[in-house]
Amino acid sequence: GQQVQQSPTSLVLQEGENAELQCNFSTSLNSMQWFYQRPGGSLISVFYNPSGTKQSGRLTSTTVIKERRSSLHISSSQITDSGTYLCAMALNVGDNSKLIWGLGTSLVVNP
Amino acid sequence: NAGVIQTPRHKVTGKGQEATLWCEPISGHSAVFWYRQTIVQGLEFLTYFRNQAPIDDSGMPKERFSAQMPNQSHSTLKIQSTQPQDSAVYLCASSLEGQGETLYFGSGTRLTVL
Repeated sequence: GQQVQQSPTSLVLQEGENAELQCNFSTSLNSMQWFYQRPGGSLISVFYNPSGTKQSGRLTSTTVIKERRSSLHISSSQITDSGTYLCAMALNVGDNSKLIWGLGTSLVVNP
Repeated sequence: NAGVIQTPRHKVTGKGQEATLWCEPISGHSAVFWYRQTIVQGLEFLTYFRNQAPIDDSGMPKERFSAQMPNQSHSTLKIQSTQPQDSAVYLCASSLEGQGETLYFGSGTRLTVL
């Protein structure tokens, strides 16, 4: 089964609304990362967040390793936030070669 | 810095033909990764080079897939006798060291096998 579960699968917001994306892991992990992908575009690293809370502008990531979960909060969403958000966990500390990926949350922000 | 460059962006092959995908990592990055992305499976790790040496190819289908990194500036992924199930977006990524460093992805090559 899928080791990394992301929810929701898709999300539609009005500009200005907040979004909460979840990532749950079925196995123990050492670190995780959030990525953003625009349709037809590259994957862009948003957060490398082994544990705790990190903030960058309107984005906040919170990872609780013991509970095997991470969340990505987007405040005051903008149309340009539309795209797919993927989380990936590393089984070994800092080992990018063993990233296990979720299937992503597709976010659409409407004007 | 042009980022990770992948060519071609799109490739269509007939069943049984060969496909070669190219990746130019960011200059100075020593780690290069290949992933495959499909809607059903999501992202799957294929193989990983560090300083041009193959480190881990555990994700590579053994029989028809091969990857090389002949120099620091490019890596290739070759698929022989392509099958429809090989259709996917193939992504290349690079990072400074490969351990705990941010991954930088290319835009991918969309392979369609008819």
